[in-house]
Amino acid sequence: DTEVTQTPKHLVMGMTNKKSLKCEQHMGHRAMYWYKQKAKKPPELMFVYSYEKLSINESVPSRFSPECPNSSLLNLHLHALQPEDSALYLCASSQPDRDPETQYFGPGTRLLVL
Amino acid sequence: DAKTTQPTSMDCAEGRAANLPCNHSTISGNEYVYWYRQIHSQGPQYIIHGLKNNETNEMASLIITEDRKSSTLILPHATLRDTAVYYCIVSSTLGRLYFGRGTQLTVWP
Repeated sequence: DTEVTQTPKHLVMGMTNKKSLKCEQHMGHRAMYWYKQKAKKPPELMFVYSYEKLSINESVPSRFSPECPNSSLLNLHLHALQPEDSALYLCASSQPDRDPETQYFGPGTRLLVL
Repeated sequence: DAKTTQPTSMDCAEGRAANLPCNHSTISGNEYVYWYRQIHSQGPQYIIHGLKNNETNEMASLIITEDRKSSTLILPHATLRDTAVYYCIVSSTLGRLYFGRGTQLTVWP
């Protein structure tokens, strides 16, 4: 099973809303990632969790708050977003002790901020 | 991590081989070459990776030049479902994949 699942598939939210994106994998991977992809652009790395600890934050604004409650789950909490945050949000996972560390991606959550 | 250069777009006839080039002239000795693809509105899909030797799997072949400054991804018999953006990524730092703009491959009937 090489599946990474993400919910919801689509999300529309206002600038004052609080919402969360969820990601789950059952491959036993201990590294999980959030990427942001704007239309017609490549994915950009946002956060990396390794063994449930935040290891990389690519200078992401604090209105995005990641959480890794256990080794299978990754959340991205959203608060006070701006319309320019509308994008496809991708989750990925990998196994840190493998060389190289191949990442497997979910289908993404398409977010629209009004 | 080393940067990569890919053509913006390529076309291929269905059933023919698609050869996608990638230049990575500043690649370091411990950096791998990865290829991913992204079909419209889906998540990126891992295709293949290599370090020095040529590699083949059920999806594609990867040819890396002896000096490792360039590589070619080969889809031996392209189908319409292979239409996608193909990303060549060079990375050694575990946990970091930096995507360039990729190559839009269009397979036509």
